[in-house]
Amino acid sequence: QSALTQPASVSGSPGQSITISCTGTSSDIGGYKYVSWYQQKPGKAPRVMIYEVSNRPSGVSNRFSGSKSGNTASLTISGLQAEDEADYYCSSYTSFSTFYVFGSGTTVTVL
Amino acid sequence: QVQLQESGPGLVKPSQTLSLTCTVSGGSIGSDSPFWSWIRQHPGKGLEWIGYIYYSGITYYNPSLKSRLTISVDTSRNQFSLNLSSVTAADTAVYYCARGDNSGYYFGYWGEGTLVTVSS
Repeated sequence: QSALTQPASVSGSPGQSITISCTGTSSDIGGYKYVSWYQQKPGKAPRVMIYEVSNRPSGVSNRFSGSKSGNTASLTISGLQAEDEADYYCSSYTSFSTFYVFGSGTTVTVL
Repeated sequence: QVQLQESGPGLVKPSQTLSLTCTVSGGSIGSDSPFWSWIRQHPGKGLEWIGYIYYSGITYYNPSLKSRLTISVDTSRNQFSLNLSSVTAADTAVYYCARGDNSGYYFGYWGEGTLVTVSS
């Protein structure tokens, strides 16, 4: 199964809001609530920012929010800050035998 | 605070077996935290799920790696391990271990990752 589709890059100015899309199929994003988002800074391990489409783990800023419509999930970062510069990956459970699939990744740049 | 730490050789020769161990501290591999996973990231690329092991030993593997892959668990040592046989340069990657949360549907805790290079 192919990776979930994300834009390669998204940028914004400090204080702005940006949204990263993640497109899959009815066998993954569209069929289940098990979408999560990960932030990865250079040389570091990924960190979960959103799970089950829109839930934030303890310690994650409320500037991060998630949603889903049909086969597309979205991560919105509001009040963009320099510290938000990172790669972001979506992921989803899939009914295919791969069980779990990641997105292609999006680099967020704060201008 | 749960912590995970990968360990193992950083260099493996082609056709040999890549072996890594993940040691869990600050929590236990067991019924309260049953899902444990390996994930890898090729240099400059995205994330690839390798497989899961349930604390009882039941495994779920990525089909693309299944024929070469074994994941095992040792609850007495609070460790789980990865063995990937017949490696090639395409297996060069940073390997992460992670804990699966909410019935394994997301990865809440990650190790720092370890780079494994396949080269003669």
